[in-house]
Amino acid sequence: DIQMTQSPSTLSASVGDRVTITCRASQSISSWLAWYQQKPGKAPKLLIYKASSLESGVPSRFSGSGSGTEFTLTISSLQPDDFATYYCQRQFTFGPGTKVDIK
Amino acid sequence: EVQLVESGGGLVQPGGSLRLSCAASGFTFSSYWMSWVRQAPGKGLEWVANIKQDGSEKYYVDSVKGRFTISRDNAKNSLYLQMNSLRAEDTAVYYCARDKSGTGTAYDYWGQGTLVTVSS
Repeated sequence: DIQMTQSPSTLSASVGDRVTITCRASQSISSWLAWYQQKPGKAPKLLIYKASSLESGVPSRFSGSGSGTEFTLTISSLQPDDFATYYCQRQFTFGPGTKVDIK
Repeated sequence: EVQLVESGGGLVQPGGSLRLSCAASGFTFSSYWMSWVRQAPGKGLEWVANIKQDGSEKYYVDSVKGRFTISRDNAKNSLYLQMNSLRAEDTAVYYCARDKSGTGTAYDYWGQGTLVTVSS
């Protein structure tokens, strides 16, 4: 089975910061990777699919890149609404999550 | 507007059964793979099961095989999860989710979730 890891597990940042989260797969998954944002008590929200395609309605400050085994989610300028937990996903496996909190 | 609304969660004793439902609207339900994803309290997301558009293919995470059954009724725009022999470790919020394109590519719409608590 393919395993997904994320780093860091927690990230402290300030409004306006550029934030990068990394997701690694235990073997090549081509570009079949998605990213989600989840806030407490809410359902996850799809941000990025196929590694770099921005889901409709998602702000352009979110971007995804990578292929093979290493992927990144970047928030170009962190906004107050972006403090949340972020998960990567490949098919039936989710990463463990990265919590972005206020520095 | 796409909507997914889960129901059927609650408190059940270990070994008991529960049937979750997900009512879909705002899209052609019969055209999409559908999934159940769960989240234990304070934990991450775990995919549970999915089902093909016509119900002819179903897949499960190993931990629920033989205990859970996913099904759908396209005439009623509804997705179901029959959960038997429930264990404490099945305690979680259960979400139904739409597969954006194909199986497991990405989940573009989610319900609000329904909480299942397995406890004596």
